[in-house]
Amino acid sequence: DSGVTQTPKHLITATGQRVTLRCSPRSGDLSVYWYQQSLDQGLQFLIQYYNGEERAKGNILERFSAQQFPDLHSELNLSSLELGDSALYFCASSVDGLAGPYEQYFGPGTRLTV
Amino acid sequence: GQQLNQSPQSMFIQEGEDVSMNCTSSSIFNTWLWYKQDPGEGPVLLIALYKAGELTSNGRLTAQFGITRKDSFLNISASIPSDVGIYFCAGTYSGGGADGLTFGKGTHLIIQP
Repeated sequence: DSGVTQTPKHLITATGQRVTLRCSPRSGDLSVYWYQQSLDQGLQFLIQYYNGEERAKGNILERFSAQQFPDLHSELNLSSLELGDSALYFCASSVDGLAGPYEQYFGPGTRLTV
Repeated sequence: GQQLNQSPQSMFIQEGEDVSMNCTSSSIFNTWLWYKQDPGEGPVLLIALYKAGELTSNGRLTAQFGITRKDSFLNISASIPSDVGIYFCAGTYSGGGADGLTFGKGTHLIIQP
């Protein structure tokens, strides 16, 4: 158990819909990262938040957005869903994410089926 | 963008054998991480490397950060059935500002009894 929690475990929805994925980082970790894992693209970095502020962006679509709240939990919002958005979505957290160490601990993931 | 080439793609080995896999990058990293992922679960961190040339062990696992900072390898000695899974290398170059990890495509380890 990494200490990172994600809900829900599974999510089934339809094209065009909007969903929200939730993540709670390990106790004491300030940085939260979101990743998408699909068979064809592998594990892809989407976005990072550090202590409530967006810190880095990866291959995140404009239809996707995220935020980190004062209690440090994070939500990933996916809208106008397409079939190709079906994937595993992982949240990871790290102590700092600015000055290191850069070890990231992953949650169990949310499997999204569109 | 950065790319990681991880090889081999899959390995079929006998229990008790040693395993070696590696990753090469098109650009320099200052952190290399190795993860293991079991089906339906999140990646689990195995080893973290921060210095060129660094050699780090975690039980039967040993990983090295290449001198050129563009490669890393992972060795598993005396493999056991629970070593089955997908192993990923990941790297990042965080020069004062953090960034996400770039992952390899994974090495699928299969152990034959």
